[in-house]
Amino acid sequence: AQSVTQLDSHVSVSEGTPVLLRCNYSSSYSPSLFWYVQHPNKGLQLLLKYTSAATLVKGINGFEAEFKKSETSFHLTKPSAHMSDAAEYFCVVSDEYGGATNKLIFGTGTLLAVQP
Amino acid sequence: EAGVVQSPRYKIIEKKQPVAFWCNPISGHNTLYWYRQNLGQGPELLIRYENEEAVDDSQLPKDRFSAERLKGVDSTLKIQPAELGDSAVYLCASREFSYNEQFFGPGTRLTVL
Repeated sequence: AQSVTQLDSHVSVSEGTPVLLRCNYSSSYSPSLFWYVQHPNKGLQLLLKYTSAATLVKGINGFEAEFKKSETSFHLTKPSAHMSDAAEYFCVVSDEYGGATNKLIFGTGTLLAVQP
Repeated sequence: EAGVVQSPRYKIIEKKQPVAFWCNPISGHNTLYWYRQNLGQGPELLIRYENEEAVDDSQLPKDRFSAERLKGVDSTLKIQPAELGDSAVYLCASREFSYNEQFFGPGTRLTVL
């Protein structure tokens, strides 16, 4: 069965400093992995997705993630945090071989706080 | 283009009362999902529709939950009767068949007193 583990429930950074949100996955085959962001009282928005193409994936708002099969990791990074990045971030794996998003399995989320 | 629309945004009811949530997916998206997100958790799939057919409802508590998507467009999720543990955010998402991304609505926050 597919699963993801987000290693930090809360991360706090200062504005302008790098962001690292950690995610490990478990999958019996090559997975499709996603990062979603959820701002308060708003819907989930896709940041980026990995579907077996380039291992370094670039997303919106300056975020990127690197798929590392040997470490079963898919950490999310951003070089410089902005106040507007404060939100909850979810690492997600798809349970369908080939990447069809028929069922998304979400991690428990990481709440990112950005201090001025 | 309008996104996924959900209503109501907030609902407060007493336990044992019925409640219904409505979702209008993005035009042309034939796959529709209902998720439940408990406080401090990630969303969990309740049911998936391909057009009007429920193709995965294994996680739907069928004793009190029901859903329909009669014309393959809008969908309604119902709880009857509601229990205290049903307090959560109910999210609707949709996907166009050939595109590998689900688009989420803002959700309905249900509070059961």
